[in-house]
Amino acid sequence: AQSVTQLDSQVPVFEEAPVELRCNYSSSVSVYLFWYVQYPNQGLQLLLKYLSGSTLVESINGFEAEFNKSQTSFHLRKPSVHISDTAEYFCAVMRAGSYQLTFGKGTKLSVIP
Amino acid sequence: ETGVTQSPTHLIKTRGQQVTLRCSSQSGHNTVSWYQQALGQGPQFIFQYYREEENGRGNFPPRFSGLQFPNYSSELNVNALELDDSALYLCASSLPSMTDTQYFGPGTRLTVL
Repeated sequence: AQSVTQLDSQVPVFEEAPVELRCNYSSSVSVYLFWYVQYPNQGLQLLLKYLSGSTLVESINGFEAEFNKSQTSFHLRKPSVHISDTAEYFCAVMRAGSYQLTFGKGTKLSVIP
Repeated sequence: ETGVTQSPTHLIKTRGQQVTLRCSSQSGHNTVSWYQQALGQGPQFIFQYYREEENGRGNFPPRFSGLQFPNYSSELNVNALELDDSALYLCASSLPSMTDTQYFGPGTRLTVL
C-alpha cells in the first residue's frame, strides 16, 4: 500500500518570500506523484504531476516540484509567493497500474502581506 | 467546456438515513471517481466507475454504493448514515488512462446529526 506524509500542517510565509512544502511517500512499487491545490470552498485543482522523465516538473503559475526517488520525496517549491497562493496544498501518489489517488493530510499555506 | 459539477452543495441528514449525491462529469470524460474528505484530512478514495461498472474500490463498507449512467454522470449512495460519514464528498472525472488528470468538482458537504 502507498502512503503520503506532508510534514507541515501549516506554513506561514511573507509575500514575495520563497516557500517549500514537503512531501514524502512510501511505496514498494513505482508511483506517479501529484500536487493538488484547494482554495476555500472549492474542489481540488491539479498543480503539477510527475509521471516519468525529467525529475523536475513545473506548473504554469511558478510552482515546481522535484521527484527524488532515493529520498522518496516530492517537495513543492516557489521562489516568490503571492497573496493569491494562500490555499491548502495536497500531495498525492498513484500506484502505477492503479487509478486510485492516495492523498496526504494537506498543508495550509498562508501568505502574509 | 463544462467542468465537473456536483449537487447538492450542502446536505444535512440524521443517523440511519440514506443519502444520494450526484455528479456530472466534464465533457468527454467517461471515468468517475469519488472521494471522502473528512475535516482536516486529505481525500480518501471511495470507488471509481468506468463504462457504468465499478472499476476499483477503497476501504469503504458496502453501504457506500454508486452508479454511473450512460451519459457518464454518477451517483454516490450512502445507506444507514453514521456520524463519521460527515465530510466533503468529492467527485472527479477523467479519461480512462491512469495517467490522465482527475478533474474535481466543488464537492458536497454532508453533515450527519
